[in-house]
Amino acid sequence: GENVEQHPSTLSVQEGDSAVIKCTYSDSASNYFPWYKQELGKRPQLIIDIRSNVGEKKDQRIAVTLNKTAKHFSLHITETQPEDSAVYFCAASRSSNTGKLIFGQGTTLQVKP
Amino acid sequence: EAGVAQSPRYKIIEKRQSVAFWCNPISGHATLYWYQQILGQGPKLLIQFQNNGVVDDSQLPKDRFSAERLKGVDSTLKIQPAKLEDSAVYLCASSPLGAGTGELFFGEGSRLTVL
Repeated sequence: GENVEQHPSTLSVQEGDSAVIKCTYSDSASNYFPWYKQELGKRPQLIIDIRSNVGEKKDQRIAVTLNKTAKHFSLHITETQPEDSAVYFCAASRSSNTGKLIFGQGTTLQVKP
Repeated sequence: EAGVAQSPRYKIIEKRQSVAFWCNPISGHATLYWYQQILGQGPKLLIQFQNNGVVDDSQLPKDRFSAERLKGVDSTLKIQPAKLEDSAVYLCASSPLGAGTGELFFGEGSRLTVL
């Protein structure tokens, strides 16, 4: 079945440094790749997403890159701040009304002030 | 606009007991999802509805879990009988269309502890 692998499981960086989280997916028909941020005890919330017709998308300090050939995509956070500390989940889905969103295992990001 | 509502927020039961969780999605959202999130793991899809029809329930343990979405609006997820490994947060989410078409809006979740 469909599977999404996410690495690393934990990541600790100094404030101001960059953070990179990587995911690979198994379903070659996947063409929608969102990233969700989940703060402790809170609901997951979408922070950025990318579709397979583009290779990179940026939104202020966050960016996502996609390599469809290799079936992997990455989240990049620059100039990290303590409020970026959270669990980040990648996910993959086919772009359709019946597509189902499969999540990775999550990465706990800690930004040290 | 009101978000996805879930209740109860917390539930503690003993194994072999039953429990039910309720979800009211954002008004007008056709698709509703139930995810199970075990501590330290990513959300795992249990069942996905589009309106009141089931799109996917391949990972729902049907011997003990059941879900319905009457009239294509709110939904109930039931576990009977519960096992220790069912301890998790049960997240309900909704979206205007399918999962691949855009953002899923999650509720706060229902935290289940099975003793």
